[in-house]
Amino acid sequence: QSVLTQPPSASGTPGQRVTISCSGSSSNIGSNFVYWYQQLPGMAPKLLIYRINQRPSGVPDRFSGSKSGTSASLAISGLRSEDEADYYCAAWDDNLNGGVFGTGTKVTVL
Amino acid sequence: EVQLLESGGGLVQPGGSLRLSCAASGFTFGTYTMTWVRQAPGRGLEWVSAISAGGWTTFYADSVKGRFTISRDNSQNTLFLHLTSLRAEDTAIYYCAKDPDPRNVVVAATHFDYWGQGTLVTVSS
Repeated sequence: QSVLTQPPSASGTPGQRVTISCSGSSSNIGSNFVYWYQQLPGMAPKLLIYRINQRPSGVPDRFSGSKSGTSASLAISGLRSEDEADYYCAAWDDNLNGGVFGTGTKVTVL
Repeated sequence: EVQLLESGGGLVQPGGSLRLSCAASGFTFGTYTMTWVRQAPGRGLEWVSAISAGGWTTFYADSVKGRFTISRDNSQNTLFLHLTSLRAEDTAIYYCAKDPDPRNVVVAATHFDYWGQGTLVTVSS
């Protein structure tokens, strides 16, 4: 059972901005960095955002991350058809002494 | 080029055992924390286990603690996951993933710059 909660789905038309939330607690998001992963159908996950708001090289600046207290968010601006994928947040949990992933959000481009 | 290639998956009966391998290349394997992540069919990602660069420190999810053992052979650039007492709910694609920062200790093993393609484990009678 995931300890990080995400909305199951999000959608938008091309060009719109979509935001995905990730709700945790003081033992995970509240005290550790948050990471975001994109998983295209049938593929392994890919790092999208690291350390809350940093983008690896090659990730467009349309993707941005933020954190406030025990919640984090991923924003996708200028939505494109190739952004259709599942998105997961992740963080270390100090109580569990292990990593935790969010429940995942499926983004659909209408 | 960094490559991670998992193998060892397959069909196993409940209560059975399996050993997964992850062959690494393209980087100095022995200086990076490595992690196993799994994904049940149609479900989300689940963090399973992590091991420090030297193999001295390990961490496990509660769901696998006492049943799974993570290990590594740095001389062979290979990561392992030994699965025992397997249950139907262990059915999943198992991915190995690499930490991007070289260090001797595990630091919040949820930052992965490379993933393997995964190996499917099916637990069924």
